[in-house]
Amino acid sequence: DVKVTQSSRYLVKRTGEKVFLECVQDMDHENMFWYRQDPGLGLRLIYFSYDVKMKEKGDIPEGYSVSREKKERFSLILESASTNQTSMYLCASSFGTSGSSGANVLTFGAGSRLTVL
Amino acid sequence: AQSVTQPDIHITVSEGASLELRCNYSYGATPYLFWYVQSPGQGLQLLLKYFSGDTLVQGIKGFEAEFKRSQSSFNLRKPSVHWSDAAEYFCAVGLMNRDDKIIFGKGTRLHILP
Repeated sequence: DVKVTQSSRYLVKRTGEKVFLECVQDMDHENMFWYRQDPGLGLRLIYFSYDVKMKEKGDIPEGYSVSREKKERFSLILESASTNQTSMYLCASSFGTSGSSGANVLTFGAGSRLTVL
Repeated sequence: AQSVTQPDIHITVSEGASLELRCNYSYGATPYLFWYVQSPGQGLQLLLKYFSGDTLVQGIKGFEAEFKRSQSSFNLRKPSVHWSDAAEYFCAVGLMNRDDKIIFGKGTRLHILP
């Protein structure tokens, strides 16, 4: 089975801190995604990547950046955390060329719940 | 613009009763269609998917969904729910263009009465 591992399940940070959320997948998937999930708003795409060292903005990239130095690892970075970034963060991966059926089948990690005080 | 609508935010059914969760989409062509389930505090798990062919698709945990092109719908069904089915369910639409992104509905939370 494909596994997507998010290293931190729960984090508590203070306003202004730099926060790293790490995600690793073990099945050589080309595509990786970061979403945030908030009650009533569903899943919103922050950033995604179709290849190593490649990144594209999703729907809500403001206040976030990402890094993909290796194929299996996709990191989400909050340069200066704010209280409105308190949320559940979900990492996902998929295989195949963007637009293909496989590329649309997402495997999710268990999530990282971030609280910013 | 493409969109996915799950009209029911919450649904409550009794254990053993049948279930149908609604999903409608707006897109110019037939998209790829998915249902995911999220248990409390967990990530999303794929229940089933539709790419093409038979419009009735079977998934895991006894779920099925039917694609109806004329209604732009992809409703999820289960003939008899179990207490362990209590979770949040997300419908998603996957698009075939390289620059398009997967779109999720806002979810339906399922509550099970004993």
